Amino acid sequence: DVKVTQSSRYLVKRTGEKVFLECVQDMDHENMFWYRQDPGLGLRLIYFSYDVKMKEKGDIPEGYSVSREKKERFSLILESASTNQTSMYLCASYRGRSGYTFGSGTRLTVV
Amino acid sequence: QQPVQSPQAVILREGEDAVINCSSSKALYSVHWYRQKHGEAPVFLMILLKGGEQKGHEKISASFNEKKQQSSLYLTASQLSYSGTYFCGTESGSNDYKLSFGAGTTVTVRA
Repeated sequence: DVKVTQSSRYLVKRTGEKVFLECVQDMDHENMFWYRQDPGLGLRLIYFSYDVKMKEKGDIPEGYSVSREKKERFSLILESASTNQTSMYLCASYRGRSGYTFGSGTRLTVV
Repeated sequence: QQPVQSPQAVILREGEDAVINCSSSKALYSVHWYRQKHGEAPVFLMILLKGGEQKGHEKISASFNEKKQQSSLYLTASQLSYSGTYFCGTESGSNDYKLSFGAGTTVTVRA
């Protein structure tokens, strides 16, 4: 089974801090995604990547950036954290028609 | 644009049936269905490709009407384990791979 591992389950950061959320998958998948999940809004796509060094903006990229230096690792960066970025962040990996595999999520609180 | 799911929530007794609908304003290539239990990551249930096929997972099945850009998830003879939030994810192109998710339908099955 594909495993997608997110480095932190819970994070508390201060407004203005630079925040790194890490995601690693172990099945050589090309496609990786970052979503944020908020009550009543479902999952919204922040950024995605189809290959190393490649990145594409999703629906809500403002205030975020990403890095993919190795195929298995896809990092989400909050350049200057704000309280409206308090959310659950989900990383996913995908190949072919087997569906997304999600990580356990990182619940980020910005104070 | 995110697909629209209905209903927002449904409460069932064990053994009852339910239908969850997912509707998009865009032409669709595929529809995914996921279930998320409280505090856990979403888990892939099934994918439907255009062609009107129907699929099943345990006593959960789904249909996809590509002309109407709609999919429905059928929970038959519901069990306590079916409780959770169900999300549809829609894909617009055959090589798109990125999903737009609905806001979710919370299903509660009671004994």
